Amino acid sequence: EVQLVESGGGLIQPGGSLRLSCVASGFTVSNNYMTWVRQAPGKGLEWVSLIYSGGSTYYPDSVKGRFTISRDNSKNTLYLQMNSLRAEDTAVYYCARISPWPSIDYWGQGTLVAVSS
Amino acid sequence: QSALTQPPSASGSPGQSVTISCTGTSSDVGGYSYVSWYQHHPGKAPKLMIYEVNKRPSGVPDRFSGSKSGNTASLTVSGLQAEDEADYYCSSFAGSDNPVVFGGGTKLTVL
Repeated sequence: EVQLVESGGGLIQPGGSLRLSCVASGFTVSNNYMTWVRQAPGKGLEWVSLIYSGGSTYYPDSVKGRFTISRDNSKNTLYLQMNSLRAEDTAVYYCARISPWPSIDYWGQGTLVAVSS
Repeated sequence: QSALTQPPSASGSPGQSVTISCTGTSSDVGGYSYVSWYQHHPGKAPKLMIYEVNKRPSGVPDRFSGSKSGNTASLTVSGLQAEDEADYYCSSFAGSDNPVVFGGGTKLTVL
């Protein structure tokens, strides 16, 4: 059974950093395209990072230079390093698998990141 | 502002059909056959309902169908049931520099 379990969210001050983790089971992270998607309070879904199986990464302009997606193949885990956090980064962050391209067939339950002083 | 435009709300009575639209441009919806639809019950993980415009993943009832005409994609839910009440989001491929764009979401209410 495919499962994605996120962790690492919490309350952080503006300008701070946070690293989200997503432990996958039932499939191999490194063999798949993976993504992080967020949903701000009362807002829609927003793609915030993508990593291809070959290791290439992509980010929207809203987080480029601040967020970094990565994976640890030995732990079958996906990460999202978030730096220079802003109030507008407050959201529930979902880890997800892309398949078939570019649809998302499995999502985690999400982890809440709140950026506030 | 979301890249794709959806109506904020839609509604229908049990047994009826409802269609939700998703309007983009020739650079996303109109340019590729890569439109997906997701069902999201608040507090739960979103669920893929339609991919590649009109394909249903295993386990999704055939009451859900997708289509596209020009720059507008549509999700139709037939034979509405109470459990269909949820938020629905469309997404589309939008090119190699911006692979995934989402709509703003539509809240479907079953009256």
